[in-house]
Amino acid sequence: QKEVEQNSGPLSVPEGAIASLNCTYSDRGSQSFFWYRQYSGKSPELIMSIYSNGDKEDGRFTAQLNKASQYVSLLIRDSQPSDSATYLCAAMDSSYKLIFGSGTRLLVRP
Amino acid sequence: EPEVTQTPSHQVTQMGQEVILRCVPISNHLYFYWYRQILGQKVEFLVSFYNNEISEKSEIFDDQFSVERPDGSNFTLKIRSTKLEDSAMYFCASTEDPQIGNTIYFGEGSWLTVV
Repeated sequence: QKEVEQNSGPLSVPEGAIASLNCTYSDRGSQSFFWYRQYSGKSPELIMSIYSNGDKEDGRFTAQLNKASQYVSLLIRDSQPSDSATYLCAAMDSSYKLIFGSGTRLLVRP
Repeated sequence: EPEVTQTPSHQVTQMGQEVILRCVPISNHLYFYWYRQILGQKVEFLVSFYNNEISEKSEIFDDQFSVERPDGSNFTLKIRSTKLEDSAMYFCASTEDPQIGNTIYFGEGSWLTVV
């Protein structure tokens, strides 16, 4: 069974702090990984994609991938109250479908 | 920016009724998906569709479910005889070519409430 595991949270951080979100996956065949943000009642919105080991930065967001440890993370720098949402980690499997984790709820306190 | 559009945004239906959820994927995309999310639960894969046929379907996608691409633009999900447990948000998604890492884009979703 292909699984993506995330801590459900909530992860509470003060405004301006770094939020660190983590995810592990079970399918070693997965090569592409994605972080989506989901506001309550809304659809997933892509934040970052990462395909190679190491770090990938985009503005305030940095995704990290370690395929040996089957671990993906997302760092959000200078967190804002508007970043408060559920963050979904997803792995694309060998048949090109996304396997989602259950999401981590992030709360950024003003 | 191109987007995946879904209709209706919300539908309430009686148990046992048929429901059709409609999606217009992004125009140059070739791979289409339906996912669903029961309230408070994770986003679950239902079915993928490529080259006018189902590529893969999950255990959830039983004989009550079907998908169709009736013309060059629409992609529909039909639930033949709805059950209470079909109440969920249904997301359509599309991508140009996932084999080269293209992003999968999601529509805004269709809330289905079965009463």
